[in-house]
Amino acid sequence: EIVLTQSPGTLSLSPGERATLSCRASQSVSSSYLAWYQQKPGQAPRLLIYGASSRATGIPDRFSGSGSGTDFTLTISRLEPEDFAVYYCQQYGSSPPGITFGQGTRLEIK
Amino acid sequence: QVQLQESGPGLVKPSQTLSLTCTVSGGSISSGDYYWSWIRQPPGKGLEWIGYIYYSGSTYYNPSLKSRVTISVDTSKNQFSLKLSSVTAADTAVYYCAGYDSSGAKFDYWGQGTLVTVSS
Repeated sequence: EIVLTQSPGTLSLSPGERATLSCRASQSVSSSYLAWYQQKPGQAPRLLIYGASSRATGIPDRFSGSGSGTDFTLTISRLEPEDFAVYYCQQYGSSPPGITFGQGTRLEIK
Repeated sequence: QVQLQESGPGLVKPSQTLSLTCTVSGGSISSGDYYWSWIRQPPGKGLEWIGYIYYSGSTYYNPSLKSRVTISVDTSKNQFSLKLSSVTAADTAVYYCAGYDSSGAKFDYWGQGTLVTVSS
């Protein structure tokens, strides 16, 4: 099973700043199979990025994803108040077929 | 727009079986576009994939839960269900149903989630 490790655990920033969140895999992940989600308290996760770098429908362009192999990054270029939330990366592995999530990064207002 | 809604008991006794149903609206569960999934989240913790089912009945489960999990589908009702046996307090969580797009390896649609507490 592929383990995803996200860092940092908590990120404290101010609105307008740039956020960089990391997701590291225990073995190589196909870029096609890496996604990012945002979760706010009391809500279900919302898809932000899939295929490592493609934005989901309706996601603002301040959100971007990059990376390959074992290292992936979610970048929020200029933080808006509504961006403070928990972010998860997720991968699909084909052998055996299965899905794992990272433990999450909490983005909080400084 | 596809919508999902979980339903089932919010309280289950230890050693019993947790049973939840997800009703899909706004689209057909038989369309073949999605694998219908269950994901859970213990209070204050991260997300854990439980498993998914295709409309044909093919299933894939998280190896860590496989011995206790059964996911089934009822295409006539546009529903799919989760059964988790021999539950303990560690199974207390918000349970989400979701639609998984295998071509994009992403969960496109999520239910609102339902909290299931395991307690006597």
